[in-house]
Amino acid sequence: KAGVTQTPRYLIKTRGQQVTLSCSPISGHRSVSWYQQTPGQGLQFLFEYFSETQRNKGNFPGRFSGRQFSNSRSEMNVSTLELGDSALYLCASSLAPDTQYFGPGTRLTVL
Amino acid sequence: SQQGEEDPQALSIQEGENATMNCSYKTSINNLQWYRQNSGRGLVHLILIRSNEREKHSGRLRVTLDTSKKSSSLLITASRAADTASYFCATDTDDYKLSFGAGTTVTVRA
Repeated sequence: KAGVTQTPRYLIKTRGQQVTLSCSPISGHRSVSWYQQTPGQGLQFLFEYFSETQRNKGNFPGRFSGRQFSNSRSEMNVSTLELGDSALYLCASSLAPDTQYFGPGTRLTVL
Repeated sequence: SQQGEEDPQALSIQEGENATMNCSYKTSINNLQWYRQNSGRGLVHLILIRSNEREKHSGRLRVTLDTSKKSSSLLITASRAADTASYFCATDTDDYKLSFGAGTTVTVRA
């Protein structure tokens, strides 16, 4: 089976812009989670979707949002970008509530 | 805030030596997992240990879990250059929601 794919892999934006990242889960996986990784805060949970519904959300401002489509693909959106949003954004999919399989990540740089 | 804390933050060993890293966490868990990350790439799942297990092996990996002390350790035996990476422990604070430690960076010298 193909693994989790994320697009784009790299992105450069300027402050105030918005960005959309995409994640395609492993075939058959209906749960998709998003994480932000920064040198200062480490890996932090953003949100989790299952069957197009957000089931869980981390402590991030409302500028961070996501959605999931009927084919389980997911997107996350960050509006009004700030310098501190520069990070590696990781998507993970899972079949059961234990092991999560991660994609290669999208490296976002905000200038 | 992070649930887990890893120790040490960094580790440098010679090829062939063993590497041990520890993870402590704060709240009760269903399971604990270890992941590897190579140079800012995605995380690779290594091993999962459930709260009712004390020890688990997978190839050159050995994981222990002590729920009374809220701690776990990961041992990599006979390390190789390819083991150079960051290692993270993760606990499930909620279904499908993982809380990660800060990670241990392991460098294996040839």
